[in-house]
Amino acid sequence: AQSVTQLDSQVPVFEEAPVELRCNYSSSVSVYLFWYVQYPNQGLQLLLKYLSGSTLVKGINGFEAEFNKSQTSFHLRKPSVHISDTAEYFCAVSDGDDKIIFGKGTRLHILP
Amino acid sequence: AAGVIQSPRHLIKEKRETATLKCYPIPRHDTVYWYQQGPGQDPQFLISFYEKMQSDKGSIPDRFSAQQFSDYHSELNMSSLELGDSALYFCASSVRRANTEAFFGQGTRLTVV
Repeated sequence: AQSVTQLDSQVPVFEEAPVELRCNYSSSVSVYLFWYVQYPNQGLQLLLKYLSGSTLVKGINGFEAEFNKSQTSFHLRKPSVHISDTAEYFCAVSDGDDKIIFGKGTRLHILP
Repeated sequence: AAGVIQSPRHLIKEKRETATLKCYPIPRHDTVYWYQQGPGQDPQFLISFYEKMQSDKGSIPDRFSAQQFSDYHSELNMSSLELGDSALYFCASSVRRANTEAFFGQGTRLTVV
């Protein structure tokens, strides 16, 4: 069975500072990994995905994530955050044939 | 590009009533998923369909049922609604085994009063 653990429920960070949102997964098969963002009262938007190939994945809005198989991690990073990055971020895993399993989410608070 | 369309976007129902949520997947997508997201919660998988057949089932109450029709649109039927059913319901679609992600609709916000 697959599962996702997001280690931080909330992350406060000052504007223009770097941020890392942590995600660890468990799966017995090959995985596809995703980060989704959800702005207040809106749907889920894909930030980036790892399907295969390069372990460093670049996404929209300046975000990137690195797939680390040995540590079963897929942490999300951004070198400089903006107030508009305030949102809930969900890490998710799938084996390609099955449903997507979401983590509990991390709320990113951007401090002025 | 066409996206996943959900209707209605908002729905208010009274307890014990019935609700039907509709999902229109992206054309040529063969898999549809339904998720429920309660306030402040992560999306919880309810049920999925592949080529119009149920392919997986999650934490879906017996009061809920779903199906996928010949045109690939899907409907989630919810009966005997309870206050706790108030949530955002997402539909997503994908092409199975095609190394692509699932695309989510904007969701239907159901409020049970």
